[in-house]
Amino acid sequence: DAGVIQSPRHEVTEMGQEVTLRCKPISGHDYLFWYRQTMMRGLELLIYFNNNVPIDDSGMPEDRFSAKMPNASFSTLKIQPSEPRDSAVYFCASSPSQASPLHFGNGTRLTVT
Amino acid sequence: AQTVTQSQPEMSVQEAETVTLSCTYDTSENNYYLFWYKQPPSRQMILVIRQEAYKQQNATENRFSVNFQKAAKSFSLKISDSQLGDTAMYFCAFMKQGTSWGKLQFGAGTQVVVTP
Repeated sequence: DAGVIQSPRHEVTEMGQEVTLRCKPISGHDYLFWYRQTMMRGLELLIYFNNNVPIDDSGMPEDRFSAKMPNASFSTLKIQPSEPRDSAVYFCASSPSQASPLHFGNGTRLTVT
Repeated sequence: AQTVTQSQPEMSVQEAETVTLSCTYDTSENNYYLFWYKQPPSRQMILVIRQEAYKQQNATENRFSVNFQKAAKSFSLKISDSQLGDTAMYFCAFMKQGTSWGKLQFGAGTQVVVTP
């Protein structure tokens, strides 16, 4: 079991650029989550999917953020255009069912200059 | 809304000693889960232990155990026989059952430093 795989590990970009973060969940896990971690706000849920369908996106900060899950083994979180306040660590997590805990990836550290 | 409070920003413990991290939460829910996650310098969030609110028995995972007091809304973590590899940020987290499942509410974290 390779765990949840996120790429890239680090991303540095300039304000106004588009950023795409990628996630491969653990095989067989039907739930996928995107979390953001900042010093000011701690860990926050952005969005989660069940069987590739977005269930709760109430945590997505604004329209500049979008997430997709085209199939069971891949998800993206896109920020367009990026802003310095988007700088954070973005985590992807997956879970096989509602009764199971979340398994997190190693996160992507995003820096927007 | 649920809130999770970790009142200890940092704890230091010597190898082989025991340390207890405190966590309190506020909720009107009756059915929920509580978790402790560990975040070492590698940044990965690693599940340490999990407790279902309907279970009275405290969860235990090797050197890690919890003291779950539902009425007091308290969920402390005890690390026994501390090891250098236990150095990490520890987060307490709350999750409702049913709707809004998956929305982990995290505390601010406690940095644990294990010294030789």
